[in-house]
Amino acid sequence: QKEVEQNSGPLSVPEGAIASLNCTYSDRVSQSFFWYRQYSGKSPELIMSIYSNGDKEDGRFTAQLNKASQYVSLLIRDSQPSDSATYLCAVNESGGSNYKLTFGKGTLLTVNP
Amino acid sequence: DTAVSQTPKYLVTQMGNDKSIKCEQNLGHDTMYWYKQDSKKFLKIMFSYNNKELIINETVPNRFSPKSPDKAHLNLHINSLELGDSAVYFCASSHLGRWNTEAFFGQGTRLTVV
Repeated sequence: QKEVEQNSGPLSVPEGAIASLNCTYSDRVSQSFFWYRQYSGKSPELIMSIYSNGDKEDGRFTAQLNKASQYVSLLIRDSQPSDSATYLCAVNESGGSNYKLTFGKGTLLTVNP
Repeated sequence: DTAVSQTPKYLVTQMGNDKSIKCEQNLGHDTMYWYKQDSKKFLKIMFSYNNKELIINETVPNRFSPKSPDKAHLNLHINSLELGDSAVYFCASSHLGRWNTEAFFGQGTRLTVV
């Protein structure tokens, strides 16, 4: 059973702090990795994608990928109350004709003013 | 300008009824999905269609029958609804075979079976 694991939280950080969200995956041949943000009662929206080992930065968000350790993380700098949401890690299992995004159970982040 | 749209947004029905959820995407994607999100927020794939053809069926009860009249539409019909079917159902779309493509989600349909 291919799995994507995340700490369910809740993770609580003060405004302005760095929030660190972690994810591990079991399928070694996974090629692409995504972070989705989901506000309560809303649909998931993509905030970051990463395909190569290392860091990828976009504004206050940095995604980090380590394929050897099967680990992907998301850092949110200068956290804002509007960042409070559930963050879903998603992994593309094996690509090609069997494309399927498998999601972790999500980490609930609360940013306190 | 909605990319992936689902109807209805809310659906309340009695056990044993049959209901349908419709989904349409205008992104030109060739693959559409149905995901189920339970009360614990776990998002799990149910079905995937590529160019009207079923490519993924994740051990979903036969009471659930997806139908794709064309690659821009994927509907979900549910027979004999049960209490455990209560969840939020999300439609999504993407390009198949492009391993680095993300999925775009509709706004979700909150199904409540009473």
